Amino acid sequence: QSVLTQPPSVSAAPGQKVTISCSGSSSNIGNNYVSWYQQLPGTAPKLLIYENNKRPSGIPDRFSGSKSGTSATLGITGLQTGDEADYYCGTWDSSLSVHWVFGGGTKLTVL
Amino acid sequence: QVQLQESGPGLVKPSETLSLTCTVSGGSISSYYWSWIRQPAGKGLEWIGRIYTSGSTNYNPSLKSRVTMSVDTSKNQFSLKLSSVTAADTAVYYCARVGGAAGTGWFDPWGQGTLVTVSS
Repeated sequence: QSVLTQPPSVSAAPGQKVTISCSGSSSNIGNNYVSWYQQLPGTAPKLLIYENNKRPSGIPDRFSGSKSGTSATLGITGLQTGDEADYYCGTWDSSLSVHWVFGGGTKLTVL
Repeated sequence: QVQLQESGPGLVKPSETLSLTCTVSGGSISSYYWSWIRQPAGKGLEWIGRIYTSGSTNYNPSLKSRVTMSVDTSKNQFSLKLSSVTAADTAVYYCARVGGAAGTGWFDPWGQGTLVTVSS
């Protein structure tokens, strides 16, 4: 059971918008930046969003991030078949010792 | 740009120690935090720990008793040792650079990952 809760799967049609939620607590999301990662099948994860809502160079503005309280959200607009992947949120947690936690991951299907 | 490459045995026997090295190219290993992350087949990501180039470390509480990380700045490498392995340690192991102030941020870039299987 992951400390950060994500929906196991989401789906939407090409061209549509989808959001993926990441729920935590005051010991993690509530007091730390959130980052998001995209993992295409058979590949290493890739950074999509850092510090809640910033995009690394090369990441299209179709991808966005936000945070409110103890939850974060990844938004993807103009869905493409190439966006089919697993998406993970992550942040630091200070409940015991300081350590990083990931969400359980969300499988995005572009119908 | 900075690239990371994991290396080490792909097969480790139960109760033995898993040893991996991550080689950093295209940039200096100095003044950054570096992490190990693993992923069992079909499952999610699990953070193992991080190390600064000074040697300072933080480990996942669930693995802390078995994990040792080290860094060799002269070789631009950092390493992972996981002792007393079981089949539950079978996973793809990734190394990654930690971004942000004092290494409190994000993971980018990542290595391609290396599969380690624990089996006799």
